[in-house]
Amino acid sequence: EAGVVQSPRYKIIEKKQPVAFWCNPISGHNTLYWYRQNLGQGPELLIRYENEEAVDDSQLPKDRFSAERLKGVDSTLKIQPAELGDSAVYLCASSLQGELFFGEGSRLTVL
Amino acid sequence: QKEVEQNSGPLSVPEGAIASLNCTYSDRGSQSFFWYRQYSGKSPELIMSIYSNGDKEDGRFTAQLNKASQYVSLLIRDSQPSDSATYLCAVILGSASKIIFGSGTRLSIRP
Repeated sequence: EAGVVQSPRYKIIEKKQPVAFWCNPISGHNTLYWYRQNLGQGPELLIRYENEEAVDDSQLPKDRFSAERLKGVDSTLKIQPAELGDSAVYLCASSLQGELFFGEGSRLTVL
Repeated sequence: QKEVEQNSGPLSVPEGAIASLNCTYSDRGSQSFFWYRQYSGKSPELIMSIYSNGDKEDGRFTAQLNKASQYVSLLIRDSQPSDSATYLCAVILGSASKIIFGSGTRLSIRP
């Protein structure tokens, strides 16, 4: 069974540029999460989807971040414009009965 | 008060000894608890889940839950150098059904 797939693995951009991350969850997992992880910290929840519905986006900085999960499968997380403080690893996870399965993450560096 | 708290460490344990990792949580209504292991530069991977008070054993790992004290712990017996990693405690908050992580405890097993 294929795991959670994320791309790109690494992205380096200049501040004020846009960036997008893509996630394909494990087949059959209806719940999808985007987390942000800074060095030395635990993952911080950005948004949670149940199928195509965003059921918790209270931690998503909506002025510059957006996310979508069309058709309840793949998801995209976008940042526009990026700021220096957005440098982090962006983790996508899908869930079955509360147990999270993470992708390899997308490491963003904003210069 | 943080929703999920862990001692950041580092916790240094000699090879072959028992490593004890602790986590407290603030939401008394929480019902599901998880331990994830994260190697440097990698994504978190699930090692244990626990839902009921008491102990749950899986190989060298034992998770302990005390809901009255809002405390969950992970014991690693016969610690090996390969156990050196950051251990993340995660809780499904009872009030919101979202999975929140602690900041992680860095464990180092010394030969």
